[in-house]
Amino acid sequence: NAGVMQNPRHLVRRRGQEARLRCSPMKGHSHVYWYRQLPEEGLKFMVYLQKENIIDESGMPKERFSAEFPKEGPSILRIQQVVRGDSAAYFCASSPVSLAGGEGQPQHFGDGTRLSIL
Amino acid sequence: AQSVTQLDSHVSVSEGTPVLLRCNYSSSYSPSLFWYVQHPNKGLQLLLKYTSAATLVKGINGFEAEFKKSETSFHLTKPSAHMSDAAEYFCVVNPRGGGSQGNLIFGKGTKLSVKP
Repeated sequence: NAGVMQNPRHLVRRRGQEARLRCSPMKGHSHVYWYRQLPEEGLKFMVYLQKENIIDESGMPKERFSAEFPKEGPSILRIQQVVRGDSAAYFCASSPVSLAGGEGQPQHFGDGTRLSIL
Repeated sequence: AQSVTQLDSHVSVSEGTPVLLRCNYSSSYSPSLFWYVQHPNKGLQLLLKYTSAATLVKGINGFEAEFKKSETSFHLTKPSAHMSDAAEYFCVVNPRGGGSQGNLIFGKGTKLSVKP
């Protein structure tokens, strides 16, 4: 009974390199969300995707950050030319399609990727 | 604007005593509200959710929360704390209510310590 799978669990990059974070949603879930957690903070929404579509990217920085959720394979959060301030825990969540008029479906979270920038 | 305020950044209780973690929200719509728990270096686990059904919501591990619209509160309680409850707890609102679409808004978290 696999939950939301994120890899890698820990990622170390030097300034200027690219970071790629992967997320496989729970089986049957077609909605993926990415959140960032800075030390001593709650999670902040970044982007919400369905298969092949970005639904809401209002929380994602305009530069260097991108996300995709292809028809096949995991969702990818990509950070180009990383800087020290990108150091954080990045969490992915997934949820099933919500039924119209039905009660709210909670998001299920992975264990996160902890990104450290040297 | 929608927001969530967790009134205490840190709560310390003795094992076997009650737990109260406070949360207030503001939302323009009828919100869905959640409590999540995060153990160190782990992801978030859903404790319970409120989605406009019963105002007293029972969750896992003996936790429950009561939605009080007049007070815009959704406090988390447990009658008797256990050492394994030590973790960080997040109050979360889905301001659009109902379904899961759209982003969640997180409180800053309350760290619960349990003393033997």
